[in-house]
Amino acid sequence: AQSVTQLDSQVPVFEEAPVELRCNYSSSVSVYLFWYVQYPNQGLQLLLKYLSGSTLVKGINGFEAEFNKSQTSFHLRKPSVHISDTAEYFCAVTYSSASKIIFGSGTRLSIRP
Amino acid sequence: DGGITQSPKYLFRKEGQNVTLSCEQNLNHDAMYWYRQDPGQGLRLIYYSQIVNDFQKGDIAEGYSVSREKKESFPLTVTSAQKNPTAFYLCASSIGDSLNSPLHFGNGTRLTVT
Repeated sequence: AQSVTQLDSQVPVFEEAPVELRCNYSSSVSVYLFWYVQYPNQGLQLLLKYLSGSTLVKGINGFEAEFNKSQTSFHLRKPSVHISDTAEYFCAVTYSSASKIIFGSGTRLSIRP
Repeated sequence: DGGITQSPKYLFRKEGQNVTLSCEQNLNHDAMYWYRQDPGQGLRLIYYSQIVNDFQKGDIAEGYSVSREKKESFPLTVTSAQKNPTAFYLCASSIGDSLNSPLHFGNGTRLTVT
């Protein structure tokens, strides 16, 4: 079955430290990959997307993600986090063989001063 | 500014009552979606519509109903048949189908049923 796994439900980091949020998806010939961010009591906003081309994708707020087809991963990274990055982050995948987007269960990023 | 408006932000209802959540978009998007979000879980698709006067069930459609009479509007009714209606409901839209079109979300409606 097609699925998306976010291995960490919570990630605490200190301010200005680097962070990586992990996302793995079940293998497929063709996928489109997204990261969304959700601030408390709000909807989701698109951070970045991979549709094709360069495997390193840059998004808003200094985030980037790398598509790794051999490891079926799309991990999100930021070299130095800020208090304002405190939010929940969702990885999402659409498979060419399916007709809908599949969301991971989310990773809550908490930033310590 | 274009966007998706969900109203109200908070909604309280007694068990056994139907309730309708509003979702309006001025992005001129063809596709609209309703998701349910529960703590610690991802988003689960309730219903979606790719064109006016047509909609399809998602993964958890039981106890919910929708209509799509206008391109801009996609209201969701939570009926008394929904066993656990208390949740955060998110409406979204996209230009085309969601395979490679990012979703644009509203700010959600938090429904509490007691």
